Amino acid sequence: AQTVTQSQPEMSVQEAETVTLSCTYDTSENNYYLFWYKQPPSRQMILVIRQEAYKQQNATENRFSVNFQKAAKSFSLKISDSQLGDTAMYFCAFRIQGAQKLVFGQGTRLTINP
Amino acid sequence: DAGVIQSPRHEVTEMGQEVTLRCKPISGHNSLFWYRQTMMRGLELLIYFNNNVPIDDSGMPEDRFSAKMPNASFSTLKIQPSEPRDSAVYFCASSLARTIYEQYFGPGTRLTVT
Repeated sequence: AQTVTQSQPEMSVQEAETVTLSCTYDTSENNYYLFWYKQPPSRQMILVIRQEAYKQQNATENRFSVNFQKAAKSFSLKISDSQLGDTAMYFCAFRIQGAQKLVFGQGTRLTINP
Repeated sequence: DAGVIQSPRHEVTEMGQEVTLRCKPISGHNSLFWYRQTMMRGLELLIYFNNNVPIDDSGMPEDRFSAKMPNASFSTLKIQPSEPRDSAVYFCASSLARTIYEQYFGPGTRLTVT
């Protein structure tokens, strides 16, 4: 069975700082997809970034980037120049290619302080 | 596009009552997912449909829960009879099946059973 682990229940940084959220996963599959979702206080789940396992290049979306280490089964999210609006729960998620079931981690509560 | 639409946004009911949650997926999406989010268990997949057909309902907690998708633009999740432990946020999500496309989430329904 696939599992996703987020080892940091909570994190807090100052505005404009860079923060990295960690995520590890366990699978015997070779082809899969990884996602980071953001859940602000409004509770809406918003996709932040995605990574295909067959791509070696790390995905980037504006201030958000990932460090994908396939051999280590690690998928961390880096937020640069953090903003107050980045305050949210962040969930790492995993899906096997060809399957549709998303497996979520337990989440990291990120607070950006002014 | 209006995104995934869920109703109601909030529901408060008494134990033993029937509860029906509704979802309208994004037009053109052919997969629909129902999730439950609680503090204790995080995000759990309850059931998902492909082309209106239930594919995996292994996450449905017990017979009190049922889900239907009578057409491509509407799905319901019913709890009968409801119990206090059913209190949670219920999310509906949709996607294009068998692609790398991510799941798009609705705003969720916060259910409180007293």
